[in-house]
Amino acid sequence: DQQVKQNSPSLSVQEGRISILNCDYTNSMFDYFLWYKKYPAEGPTFLISISSIKDKNEDGRFTVFLNKSAKHLSLHIVPSQPGDSAVYFCAASAMGMRFGAGTRLTVKP
Amino acid sequence: DAGVIQSPRHEVTEMGQEVTLRCKPISGHNSLFWYRQTMMRGLELLIYFNNNVPIDDSGMPEDRFSAKMPNASFSTLKIQPSEPRDSAVYFCASRRQAEVAGELFFGEGSRLTVL
Repeated sequence: DQQVKQNSPSLSVQEGRISILNCDYTNSMFDYFLWYKKYPAEGPTFLISISSIKDKNEDGRFTVFLNKSAKHLSLHIVPSQPGDSAVYFCAASAMGMRFGAGTRLTVKP
Repeated sequence: DAGVIQSPRHEVTEMGQEVTLRCKPISGHNSLFWYRQTMMRGLELLIYFNNNVPIDDSGMPEDRFSAKMPNASFSTLKIQPSEPRDSAVYFCASRRQAEVAGELFFGEGSRLTVL
């Protein structure tokens, strides 16, 4: 069963605009959430995380928002840059770490 | 410092053959994870170990799959016999603490093609 869901397989935005990637989870035992970025032929790399006791975490152009009551988190990238084009995976942790299916972001110049 | 090291990077084999994928975690990391990436399901957790002990193998698809971690610096994922539907990229990842928080560090993956 898919405990972590990313319902948008792809997203295309213009350079300089905001990118919003969404993620939903079903298991209320998850209490730590992460976003990973993946380029072709490489392993995923860590981008940003958030603990369940927070609702927002910001790191430069990247901000993750967590809505525990809705079991929803999102990643905002602003401003988006062409180098941000990659597959983004949402992950949730409760000892084991579960990932979503990924969203392919394309940032057009 | 060396990252997570996986081998082989690419494997092409015929249906029915045994496949062994290898992983060396980052030194000092005591949690190790095996994932499979497919287009449909993204990154699926197959199994993970804490301190060389398997904790959750509920993601292992069938008895054809097995994983071992004989020591803190080595793990294998074996498929016997392999089938075409096993074709995917298999990732190994490690983490410093056996805790909820903490990022995973991934290897570059092993791309398996079963003909």
